[in-house]
Amino acid sequence: DQQVKQNSPSLSVQEGRISILNCDYTNSMFDYFLWYKKYPAEGPTFLISISSIKDKNEDGRFTVFLNKSAKHLSLHIVPSQPGDSAVYFCAAASGTYKYIFGTGTRLKVLA
Amino acid sequence: DAGITQSPRHKVTETGTPVTLRCHQTENHRYMYWYRQDPGHGLRLIHYSYGVKDTDKGEVSDGYSVSRSKTEDFLLTLESATSSQTSVYFCAISEAGKGGTYNEQFFGPGTRLTVL
Repeated sequence: DQQVKQNSPSLSVQEGRISILNCDYTNSMFDYFLWYKKYPAEGPTFLISISSIKDKNEDGRFTVFLNKSAKHLSLHIVPSQPGDSAVYFCAAASGTYKYIFGTGTRLKVLA
Repeated sequence: DAGITQSPRHKVTETGTPVTLRCHQTENHRYMYWYRQDPGHGLRLIHYSYGVKDTDKGEVSDGYSVSRSKTEDFLLTLESATSSQTSVYFCAISEAGKGGTYNEQFFGPGTRLTVL
């Protein structure tokens, strides 16, 4: 049973435009959400996070939105750059400090 | 960069043999994790540790065991490797946040394991 889902395996966006990556979760006990970026042959690196008490968190070009009623979060990248091309994972955590990841979305930013 | 190393970085082994992967950290973080990454499945949690000698199962723990005898080392053992355990294995660490909050995980570079 996949508790964290990323239903879009891939996404292509033109350079300078907005990239929107989506993530859904099923476990209402999750209270912290994170996004990671992964380049080939490297470990994932942390991008941005949000607590369940917030509905938006912004860090430079990256903004994460959380809709608790829909159990949905999204990552917005504006403007998208070629260096943003990578696999993006969303993750969720609960009080046990278990971090559960989604299946990932491969973003390709076209120059 | 967080000080996390994984060894070996690459390993090829045969079905039925035992395999141990090592994760070593220099950050003194409390929590350590083992994940596997497979196409179509993303990152799946195998086991994690919340302190020395304290471990718990993740989503895909069957066929794997772990041990943590020191804060800095977290070992993942495949008692009898199978071809379905061919994967890229990532170790991660994190520290508890203050007042019950969370911190992000830091990941190691990964170990590519092939079971023939």
